[in-house]
Amino acid sequence: QKEVEQDPGPLSVPEGAIVSLNCTYSNSAFQYFMWYRQYSRKGPELLMYTYSSGNKEDGRFTAQVDKSSKYISLFIRDSQPSDSATYLCATRNTGNQFYFGTGTSLTVIP
Amino acid sequence: NAGVTQTPKFRVLKTGQSMTLLCAQDMNHEYMYWYRQDPGMGLRLIHYSVGEGTTAKGEVPDGYNVSRLKKQNFLLGLESAAPSQTSVYFCASQKGQGNLNQPQHFGDGTRLSIL
Repeated sequence: QKEVEQDPGPLSVPEGAIVSLNCTYSNSAFQYFMWYRQYSRKGPELLMYTYSSGNKEDGRFTAQVDKSSKYISLFIRDSQPSDSATYLCATRNTGNQFYFGTGTSLTVIP
Repeated sequence: NAGVTQTPKFRVLKTGQSMTLLCAQDMNHEYMYWYRQDPGMGLRLIHYSVGEGTTAKGEVPDGYNVSRLKKQNFLLGLESAAPSQTSVYFCASQKGQGNLNQPQHFGDGTRLSIL
């Protein structure tokens, strides 16, 4: 079983829509959760970093962690064409090894 | 401010050839990582380093070697390239363990094809 599972999509939404991206993870000991955005032919860049359960908001982005179901989510409000990218969820162990999902490809149509 | 720089950006090799991928960071980060990214597999950790002169194996280390002779550089070597090593390779750096909220900073990747 992979440490992190993510639906690869692709996901296509109209501009202004609310986007929901989701992942599940296998190890209940994981405490740190991240979302990265990756544009075509670029490296991943960190969007959100959360610790344990709960919500974290940053502008149009909200990261949510539900440790009881081992489920992590990223919500994008008022989606823009510039949000078109691949979104990677990730977690890390206490030994500082990171585990990434396969990524969900998102296209926001103007 | 260059951040994390990877060279080369593209390379085509024949099976059995060797090569070295270079990663350089100018942020004085302690930790550095090498990943490969394949369709349907996501990012997988090959090797990492927690400081100058140290290296450790990640999830998929076989067929690769690394060296961290200088703090700012992390080299990934393929001694005898195989078609299964065709991938996009990403280097990342991170400030260190002291602050648990430190993100990884990624380079823009090296696209490697093995024929």
